[in-house]
Amino acid sequence: GAVVSQHPSRVICKSGTSVKIECRSLDFQATTMFWYRQFPKKSLMLMATSNEGSKATYEQGVEKDKFLINHASLTLSTLTVTSAHPEDSSFYICSATEGLADTDTQYFGPGTRLTVL
Amino acid sequence: GQNIDQPTEMTATEGAIVQINCTYQTSGFNGLFWYQQHAGEAPTFLSYNVLDGLEEKGRFSSFLSRSKGYSYLLLKELQMKDSASYLCAALDSNYQLIWGAGTKLIIKP
Repeated sequence: GAVVSQHPSRVICKSGTSVKIECRSLDFQATTMFWYRQFPKKSLMLMATSNEGSKATYEQGVEKDKFLINHASLTLSTLTVTSAHPEDSSFYICSATEGLADTDTQYFGPGTRLTVL
Repeated sequence: GQNIDQPTEMTATEGAIVQINCTYQTSGFNGLFWYQQHAGEAPTFLSYNVLDGLEEKGRFSSFLSRSKGYSYLLLKELQMKDSASYLCAALDSNYQLIWGAGTKLIIKP
């Protein structure tokens, strides 16, 4: 089946620094990628949707300037958490689909655990 | 390798009961999630099991057997709105999520 990877799997950083998380589709071309944030044992909160070559669409309440998303190729999207603070500590998960339709299957990555000290 | 298996698609009748199975093989185990996802929407958390046994939450129940690497999601009194994909995901020893491909549940009147 389709595989999505994330790098790094976990990262610890100091408050005020920026952290980049990569999401890659390994065996398919991801037209659309989604970035989620998971709170402990709770739902996945959709942060943004990105289509290759265009600007990401952010969900209400998600700061565009803080969570920079770049979907530069059909196999790679990056999420950069700028000037990270302890409240940004979370589990970030990406998913990818091959198409643009709502009915396309999303393939999820293993997640990146961010801890901001 | 790490792997999760769940059926690709299931069909059930409104008002009936359906059980969606999930088997997993992971390096270590720190719990198993079930999510519901309607087309075009973010997954919605249904349950998290880390201990063996059955946990009931309204019409939905989730069961875990760690020794068998097995879980199921039980949906009772099915409603048309339960038509969705159901995702099973296990946390491995590194707290990485291993995802199943999802089970598309079709509810018929």
